[in-house]
Amino acid sequence: DTGVSQDPRHKITKRGQNVTFRCDPISEHNRLYWYRQTLGQGPEFLTYFQNEAQLEKSRLLSDRFSAERPKGSFSTLEIQRTEQGDSAMYLCASSVLWTVVGYTFGSGTRLTVV
Amino acid sequence: AQSVTQPDIHITVSEGASLELRCNYSYGATPYLFWYVQSPGQGLQLLLKYFSGDTLVQGIKGFEAEFKRSQSSFNLRKPSVHWSDAAEYFCAVGSGGSQGNLIFGKGTKLSVKP
Repeated sequence: DTGVSQDPRHKITKRGQNVTFRCDPISEHNRLYWYRQTLGQGPEFLTYFQNEAQLEKSRLLSDRFSAERPKGSFSTLEIQRTEQGDSAMYLCASSVLWTVVGYTFGSGTRLTVV
Repeated sequence: AQSVTQPDIHITVSEGASLELRCNYSYGATPYLFWYVQSPGQGLQLLLKYFSGDTLVQGIKGFEAEFKRSQSSFNLRKPSVHWSDAAEYFCAVGSGGSQGNLIFGKGTKLSVKP
C-alpha cells in the first residue's frame, strides 16, 4: 500500500492552456474525491466517484473542469482554458467506507497559472 | 447549511506547553467530525475522528479532541507540544449522507517556540 499518489506535484502553466492531473488511489478504495485548496483556506469539495461513476459535483466545478475515473481505478482532473483564479492546490483522497475510517489524502498538485 | 469555524488563524505556543485548538461546527444532525494536519506543501493527515460513542477521542501523535454537543464544539488538545507539531490544523465536518464530502474550516496555523 503506497498511499494516494498524485502527479505532477507542481504544474506551472500559462493562462488559457489546458492541464490534466492524475490521482492513483489506494487500490482497494472504491471512493475517490477531488478537493481544491486556495491559499489561506481549507480544502473545498469538487467532486467524487464511487468506482467509475461520478456521483456528485460541486458548483465550484465550472464547465471548464472535467473529471474521469475510467475502470474505477485512477482518476484525472482536467482544467481547460486555465485562468489565474484556478491557481490552487488540488487534492485527491480515497476511502472505502468514509464513515468508518475517513479519507486518505494524497500530497496534492500545486497549480500556478501565470 | 453545514459550516465549520476555526476562530484562531494563528497560534504560537512554547515547546512543552499545552495546546488547544478551537473548532465550532454547524450541523443539524449528529455530525461526523475530523481533525487533519497539513505540513507545508503536503496533503492532509488524519489526526482523529468522531462518529459516535465516547465524546473524548484519542488520535495519533498524542492528540485528543472532545465533542461537546451543547457547545457545537470539537476542540483539539495536546498536553505537551513538540517542535515537530508546527503545521496547519483543519477541522472538518462530514454529512451523514452517502456522499461523504467534508466541509473544512479555514485552518489554524500552529507555530512552536523553542
